[in-house]
Amino acid sequence: KNEVEQSPQNLTAQEGEFITINCSYSVGISALHWLQQHPGGGIVSLFMLSSGKKKHGRLIATINIQEKHSSLHITASHPRDSAVYICAVRSGNTGKLIFGQGTTLQVKP
Amino acid sequence: GAGVSQTPSNKVTEKGKYVELRCDPISGHTALYWYRQSLGQGPEFLIYFQGTGAADDSGLPNDRFFAVRPEGSVSTLKIQRTERGDSAMYLCASSLTGGAGYEQYFGPGTRLTVT
Repeated sequence: KNEVEQSPQNLTAQEGEFITINCSYSVGISALHWLQQHPGGGIVSLFMLSSGKKKHGRLIATINIQEKHSSLHITASHPRDSAVYICAVRSGNTGKLIFGQGTTLQVKP
Repeated sequence: GAGVSQTPSNKVTEKGKYVELRCDPISGHTALYWYRQSLGQGPEFLIYFQGTGAADDSGLPNDRFFAVRPEGSVSTLKIQRTERGDSAMYLCASSLTGGAGYEQYFGPGTRLTVT
């Protein structure tokens, strides 16, 4: 079993829909990251959080440390949100990230 | 300012050859990470540098893989006797330091294809 699991693996939505991507992890963490990867490889950091909730524009990330679970929400989804969304955790004091397998999101107009 | 850059962007090599992949981190970032991403998978950790030293190389798959960062800035990932299974996207990231509270900034990656 992977240390970081995401669901769903693939998601298709209509423009305007509210989207949720889930991430569960099995290790102790110092921080959790949500990343966005577009075709071609470039990865952009969306959020880094260790507790509570963060919001940036139409994106919201939450984390429940006790349940070892995080969610990424996208409100009023748009075709330009189509990308792979990756959850990654930092375990302990090391800088290295442990990644989930990614969720491929397609938003149709 | 300039972000993390990686060269080449694409590399095609024959099985058995030696390759070098280069990463230029953001200026002033002391921590540098190498990750490998196979098609359809999330990235996997290879090695982490703090300054010039490899603080954690537990992700290097075998002794064909080696990385250096001699002056604490540019890093080179070296792969000897390449195999078809080495084909992947190789990603580099840097952060101000290696502590848990610091963002990692990713480069565009080098896509390696071993034929």
